[in-house]
This record gives sequence, structure tokens and C-alpha cells, in this order.
Amino acid sequence: AQSVTQLDSQVPVFEEAPVELRCNYSSSVSVYLFWYVQYPNQGLQLLLKYLSGSTLVKGINGFEAEFNKSQTSFHLRKPSVHISDTAEYFCAVSDLPLKTSYDKVIFGPGTSLSVIP
Amino acid sequence: DVKVTQSSRYLVKRTGEKVFLECVQDMDHENMFWYRQDPGLGLRLIYFSYDVKMKEKGDIPEGYSVSREKKERFSLILESASTNQTSMYLCASSFWDLSGLYEQYFGPGTRLTVT
Repeated sequence: AQSVTQLDSQVPVFEEAPVELRCNYSSSVSVYLFWYVQYPNQGLQLLLKYLSGSTLVKGINGFEAEFNKSQTSFHLRKPSVHISDTAEYFCAVSDLPLKTSYDKVIFGPGTSLSVIP
Repeated sequence: DVKVTQSSRYLVKRTGEKVFLECVQDMDHENMFWYRQDPGLGLRLIYFSYDVKMKEKGDIPEGYSVSREKKERFSLILESASTNQTSMYLCASSFWDLSGLYEQYFGPGTRLTVT
């Protein structure tokens, strides 16, 4: 069964500094990969997704992630963070193929990003 | 834009009460999901529905049931609420594509407190 690891439960970083949030998943032939963000007291919203094609994926709010099949990783990066990026970030994985049976998205435990002024 | 709405943002119930959480999506999505979110545990799937009247158990279905009588509406039912069901409940929807499942769209969540 697929699993997702987010090694850092909390990441404090100063404003305008770069940040990397790590995500690793268990091996599979093909996967869909997602990063979601949850701002305080809100639901999750999609930051970016990898379905196929280029391994560098750009998302909203200046975030990007790189798919590395050999390392089974999908780390999220931003070159310069803002106070407004303070939120919980979730990595998620879904196996391929889908639809023929119940296939679910597996979420990691989340990383809490705190941007310090 | 896809919109997923949940009936309540905050709910306080007593132990033993029957609790209904409702979720509505406006984009004709086939799939709908109920998760609970707890600190340090991330999101755990309670139930999943891939069509009207169809449902599948997720990772933690015990103490919960669901109902999907219409495509746009997916209800989560706590038959007899207990304090260990105090949590944030998130509803989501998604659609099937020829290439497979795409991302899920989430509602704002319902924070349920059982006293």
C-alpha cells in the first residue's frame, strides 16, 4: 500500500528566506503527486500537482516542486517566503491506474510552516 | 470555480447524540469523500462515494455512516457521538478522467466538539 512521509512536522523560517518542505512516498510504478495548503481555519486547497511530463512543477503563490522518481520524492520549494505563507502543507499521493476500483489519495501527516518576521 | 460547501463551520454536540454533517458540491463530480483531521495524524479517510447510493469504507469507518441520495450531496452521520469523535471534518469531491483521478476539492471544514 502506498504511504507518504513528511519528515519535518514543523519548519520555522525567516521572512524572505528560501524554504524546502520534504515529501517521500513508497515505491510504485506510476503515481500522481500533489501538494495542498491549509491556511488557519480553512479547508485544503491545491498548490500544485504532478501527473506526467516535466518533473519540475510550478504552482500557485510562487511554489514549485520537483518529482524525483529514483528517490521517490516530491519536495516543495519557494525561493523567498512571506508571512502569508504561514500554513499547514500536505503532500499527497495517488496510485495509477485508477477508476477500476476504489482508489484513494494518501495524505502525509503535514508540515507546519511558520514564517518569522 | 468548484465549490464545496459544508453545512456548519462549528458544531457542539453532547455524547450520545446523533449528528449529521452535510456536504454539497456544485460541479457534478462523481466522487465525494469524508475525512477527519487531527493534529499529528494528517487526514484520515472515513468514507468514500463514487456514485449515487454507492459507498466504500475508508481507513476509520467505525462509528460513522454515510448517505448519498443525490450526486451533489454527501452526508456523514455519527450514530451516537462520542468524545473521541471531536475533530475537524473535511469533505472533498473529485472527478474521474480518462487518465485517472484528478485533485480533490475541499470544503472549509466542520469543527465538531462532543462534550
